[in-house]
Amino acid sequence: SAVISQKPSRDICQRGTSLTIQCQVDSQVTMMFWYRQQPGQSLTLIATANQGSEATYESGFVIDKFPISRPNLTFSTLTVSNMSPEDSSIYLCSVASLYSSYEQYFGPGTRLTVT
Amino acid sequence: GQQLNQSPQSMFIQEGEDVSMNCTSSSIFNTWLWYKQDPGEGPVLLIALYKAGELTSNGRLTAQFGITRKDSFLNISASIPSDVGIYFCAGQLGETSGSRLTFGEGTQLTVNP
Repeated sequence: SAVISQKPSRDICQRGTSLTIQCQVDSQVTMMFWYRQQPGQSLTLIATANQGSEATYESGFVIDKFPISRPNLTFSTLTVSNMSPEDSSIYLCSVASLYSSYEQYFGPGTRLTVT
Repeated sequence: GQQLNQSPQSMFIQEGEDVSMNCTSSSIFNTWLWYKQDPGEGPVLLIALYKAGELTSNGRLTAQFGITRKDSFLNISASIPSDVGIYFCAGQLGETSGSRLTFGEGTQLTVNP
């Protein structure tokens, strides 16, 4: 499976500010995904990011709040804009496997706390 | 939208015991995946199931894709302390690769030595 890294691993931010989270993969992948995991909860898909096209957002998530970039096949960023305490969550990127793209592999996550 | 009901929510067992957890859905899925998440980490894929009725093992783990395509279970045999964590099922409906995953609410497993 691909090796996925995320930066930062954690951050504490003030409300009203924005944070950009980076996801780097050690091999080229077609499909990357961004998930949110609120404290003690399951994972919820924010958007699918394909290289060369606009990200596709799930219901309840909008581009103005969570802009995503996908400049190449190994990198993506997710920005959490105008943060509020409700945005405190773990943000995870995942990639579809090269060999069986029905399987998804996850990065270690970015733990965000908004004060 | 699709929802997955995962049970039990939590389990407290003794080392050496077998564990079973399951997921049910009101909708059909074409793929079932089982993940384990340790504290402070991202989920790790344990088993992937692609066909109704399929039974797949990975060491002490065994998972089955229900014949109706609306359920799946995961068994862990002879549990050990490092099995502690949160286990998630995930279903994938899409006919094309890389389709969105729908996750269950998770089963928190505690193993007492």
